[in-house]
Amino acid sequence: NAGVMQNPRHLVRRRGQEARLRCSPMKGHSHVYWYRQLPEEGLKFMVYLQKENIIDESGMPKERFSAEFPKEGPSILRIQQVVRGDSAAYFCASSPGDSRKETQYFGPGTRLLVL
Amino acid sequence: LAKTTQPISMDSYEGQEVNITCSHNNIATNDYITWYQQFPSQGPRFIIQGYKTKVTNEVASLFIPADRKSSTLSLPRVSLSDTAVYYCLVALNTGFQKLVFGTGTRLLVSP
Repeated sequence: NAGVMQNPRHLVRRRGQEARLRCSPMKGHSHVYWYRQLPEEGLKFMVYLQKENIIDESGMPKERFSAEFPKEGPSILRIQQVVRGDSAAYFCASSPGDSRKETQYFGPGTRLLVL
Repeated sequence: LAKTTQPISMDSYEGQEVNITCSHNNIATNDYITWYQQFPSQGPRFIIQGYKTKVTNEVASLFIPADRKSSTLSLPRVSLSDTAVYYCLVALNTGFQKLVFGTGTRLLVSP
């Protein structure tokens, strides 16, 4: 059973470009979470999605950031018009049900560098 | 401001027991407490999860007092490979329940 997959593992963008980060949850998992980790800091919750629904996006910046988890395919975290402050590691996690009662399993992360 | 706090760092020697405490004053009533281990450039790896009292698995124990305002991860007989950052993860009652990672504890195990 493959774990949580994220791609790309590393992404370099220039200021103003768009970044698309993909997350394929573990088989059988329908709940996906995105976290951001700035260098030398802890993980910060961004958004919680179920298939086709955003459940909690309280940690997402109000502008430029969006997330989706379509019926088919991976979850996508999109960052428009990236700025240097967006440089961070972005981790995706998945769980079979509500993570407050189910364990979240994390992917290897995507490291975004904005030049 | 509701938050989840841990000691910034801890030092230990091989073979010793290490206890790392996480304080979460505003934890949600019905949610689990989960602990993760993270190595540099990797995603967090699940260690243990519990709701109350004590939970033990093959790698760690988790102690949770009755009020659930803190939890303690216990690593028996640590080895050099246990050098990592350890995070607790809880859901807090912040008006809406939100998942919050602790501040992280950097454990250094020396020979």
